[in-house]
Amino acid sequence: DIQMTQSPSSLSASVGDRVTITCRASQTISSYLNWYQQKSGKAPNLLIYAASSLQSGVPSRFSGSGSGTDFTLTISSLQPEDFATYYCQQGYSTPSTFGQGTNLEIK
Amino acid sequence: EVQLVESGGGLVQPGGSLRLSCAASGFTFSSSWMTWVRQAPGKGLEWVANIKQDGGEKYYVDSVKGRFTISRDNAKNSLYLQMNTLRAEDTAVYYCARDLRWFGELFGYWGQGTLVTVSS
Repeated sequence: DIQMTQSPSSLSASVGDRVTITCRASQTISSYLNWYQQKSGKAPNLLIYAASSLQSGVPSRFSGSGSGTDFTLTISSLQPEDFATYYCQQGYSTPSTFGQGTNLEIK
Repeated sequence: EVQLVESGGGLVQPGGSLRLSCAASGFTFSSSWMTWVRQAPGKGLEWVANIKQDGGEKYYVDSVKGRFTISRDNAKNSLYLQMNTLRAEDTAVYYCARDLRWFGELFGYWGQGTLVTVSS
């Protein structure tokens, strides 16, 4: 199975900050990498698919990049509603696997 | 509007069984791969199983192979997860998700989840 490793596991930031979360795959996954946001007690929500494509309805302050084994999720200017947990997920091979999550907290 | 509504969760003793259901609406269910994803309390997301549109292909994470069975009824727009020989480590919120398959597996729609607690 492909292992997905996110860093950092937790992050404190302020409204207006630029934030970057990284995700590394244990083997190459081309661009089969998706990002989700999960708020407490809610289901995950798809933000970015195919490494860099913005899901419909997702604010443009979210962006993704990378290919192969290394990927990043960037939030250009944090808003209060962005404080949540973020997960990467590889859709390259079955079983699909998720990163362990990055908890983004208010500083 | 796409809707996925899970049901069937609850408290069950170790070694027991439970059947989860997911009722789908707002899209052509019979054209979609479907997936179960779980989340243990305070933990991350874990892919559990998925099933092809016609039910002809099914895949499982190793930890549930031989114990869980995924199935679907396209006439009823419903997805199921039969869980047998349950263990404490199966305790989690179970989500059903629609796999959009635009570019590999990607989960564009999720249900609200149903909690399964395995405890004596």
